[in-house]
Parts: sequence; C-alpha cells; structure tokens
Amino acid sequence: EAQVTQNPRYLITVTGKKLTVTCSQNMNHEYMSWYRQDPGLGLRQIYYSMNVEVTDKGDVPEGYKVSRKEKRNFPLILESPSPNQTSLYFCASSWDRAGSGANVLTFGAGSRLTVL
Amino acid sequence: GDSVTQMEGPVTLSEEAFLTINCTYTATGYPSLFWYVQYPGEGLQLLLKATKADDKGSNKGFEATYRKETTSFHLEKGSVQVSDSAVYFCALSDSGGYQKVTFGTGTKLQVIP
Repeated sequence: EAQVTQNPRYLITVTGKKLTVTCSQNMNHEYMSWYRQDPGLGLRQIYYSMNVEVTDKGDVPEGYKVSRKEKRNFPLILESPSPNQTSLYFCASSWDRAGSGANVLTFGAGSRLTVL
Repeated sequence: GDSVTQMEGPVTLSEEAFLTINCTYTATGYPSLFWYVQYPGEGLQLLLKATKADDKGSNKGFEATYRKETTSFHLEKGSVQVSDSAVYFCALSDSGGYQKVTFGTGTKLQVIP
C-alpha cells in the first residue's frame, strides 16, 4: 500500500531534550515536506526537500533541522525542543515534477508532540 | 507571496443540507488549486483539484470550479452526510519551478443527523 509513515504518533517530552520524528514513504517520491498544524493557523511548511541531499527552509524553520540521505526518508529533528513547538506535525510527499502544475501531496497520519 | 483565504468555521449543517465553503486566493502566475479533507485523527487527503481556469474538480459528490476572474475555488456539495464531518483545507500550488503548496486555515464541518 502506498503510504507515508510517521513515528512516533504521539510524544510528550521536556524542554531541551533532543528528539527526532521519522518519516518514510514507499512511493519513490522525490519531493518531501514537513508541516505543522496549529489551531487558527492551518498548515505551515517547516522544511522541504526536492531530492536526496537537497533541502530548503519553508515558512517556519526556526528550531528544526532535517536531512535527506535516502530518497524514502526525511526525518525532522528538534535539537532543543521548546514549548512553542508543541503542535501536530505532518510529513508529506509528492511525485510531481516541479512546474507540472499539479503538486498533489500524500500525507502521513500525523505526529502529536507536546513539549513541557 | 501566495495566500489562501477560506471561510472560518465551524460550520454546522443538518444532514442533506447544501454545503458551500468559500475559498479565495492570491497568487502570481497560474496556480493549481486543491481541496484537502482531514477526518478526525487522520492526515490530510486530496478531495479534488483543478489545474487551470474554468476546470471543475469533483469527487464524492463535492465540486469546485476554478474561477480566475474572481480568484475563487468554492467547495460545494448538494446533500451532506454525517460522514462528511471533517476539516476542509483549500490550497494552491504555484506554477513555478518550486513546488510550494500554500494552505488555508481550514474549515471544520459538522453534520448533525
């Protein structure tokens, strides 16, 4: 089954304790992206990757890191989490080539992170 | 930059009522337009899309028409069901070489029996 898998689905942690949210897709998609969803703000892009070893900042990258060493994986790293990073996080991927005009995203089920 | 504005919710309707969720956008060039749906506890999934002006996207009884003259992409359904209760997101993808997708803030729909 074609899917985007995120782990963990739920996590409660404390300020400053490094954590990684993993994301894996089995569709051979080149494009992957991380979003955070907050009430009243919709989805905001954190980082995206056009291909292996190619990553760039989205709209709200502060406090996050990413890497793309393999095509299927795109982990989100919080080096020193803070309470304002408490949110619902989504990983998404797409096969559409840049400029094709129909970038349809496939989303993971989400990871709810609470930072105390 | 690109932006998407959609009507605030929540929207509460009785079963079999007519649904309209308004969405307008601001973008340069010729973006593609989407509606995504998020059911409780799940990720977003594509509901429908339109890639050029006057295109109509449709799926599961939902429809939306790409109106370039009014920069709108309103979502409609003639008769909603309880199972349609979800959060609906309007989104656009720019037409340039950068695959950024910009989302609206989402509209929560609750359908009561």
